[in-house]
Amino acid sequence: ETGVTQTPRHLVMGMTNKKSLKCEQHLGHNAMYWYKQSAKKPLELMFVYSLEERVENNSVPSRFSPECPNSSHLFLHLHTLQPEDSALYLCASSQVGGPSEQYFGPGTRLTVT
Amino acid sequence: GNSVTQMEGPVTLSEEAFLTINCTYTATGYPSLFWYVQYPGEGLQLLLKATKADDKGSNKGFEATYRKETTSFHLEKGSVQVSDSAVYFCALSPTGYSSASKIIFGSGTRLSIRP
Repeated sequence: ETGVTQTPRHLVMGMTNKKSLKCEQHLGHNAMYWYKQSAKKPLELMFVYSLEERVENNSVPSRFSPECPNSSHLFLHLHTLQPEDSALYLCASSQVGGPSEQYFGPGTRLTVT
Repeated sequence: GNSVTQMEGPVTLSEEAFLTINCTYTATGYPSLFWYVQYPGEGLQLLLKATKADDKGSNKGFEATYRKETTSFHLEKGSVQVSDSAVYFCALSPTGYSSASKIIFGSGTRLSIRP
């Protein structure tokens, strides 16, 4: 595997379910990000991890819970979501102290029913 | 504060037409500038970048020049193809971040190319 991978690519869940999104980067980076992309809205930064520590949490509801067990893996745990949480969830990575560009995964298309 | 403004879409062109997507930015200091592209059903891919004034980023026939005097980073391509149909995002990364990077994205411009 190369680059940034995300699983699953598609997820349908009910409002009472609990699920997790997984992201893995194979680039040797040490910063990881979760973004939310909704139709007709700008890209929203949700969480930032640098060297496995959360450094940013942009007023995201507590029904979204991130986890970064090591610099290569990032999870987003979901519970009791709302239909308005349906969106494309994108993971990205970059190198702390290196070039500032971020590399994105293909995203998980989440539908909350 | 930091912000990116890009032309609203959708932009529809015929194959082999010349493409310009305008992008202007507001930032202090000397940010890095990027164009990302998102093909249908995929994540964002870095298309090109420029890190200092007058730098020209280029990739896959696309070009953009970092213009400090006009705070612009317009994307151009001389002859577009149907395969260029996608959403294009202009973005900047402010200076002064020693930890994880921060990227400010524009709202995206949808480009459709007719055969």
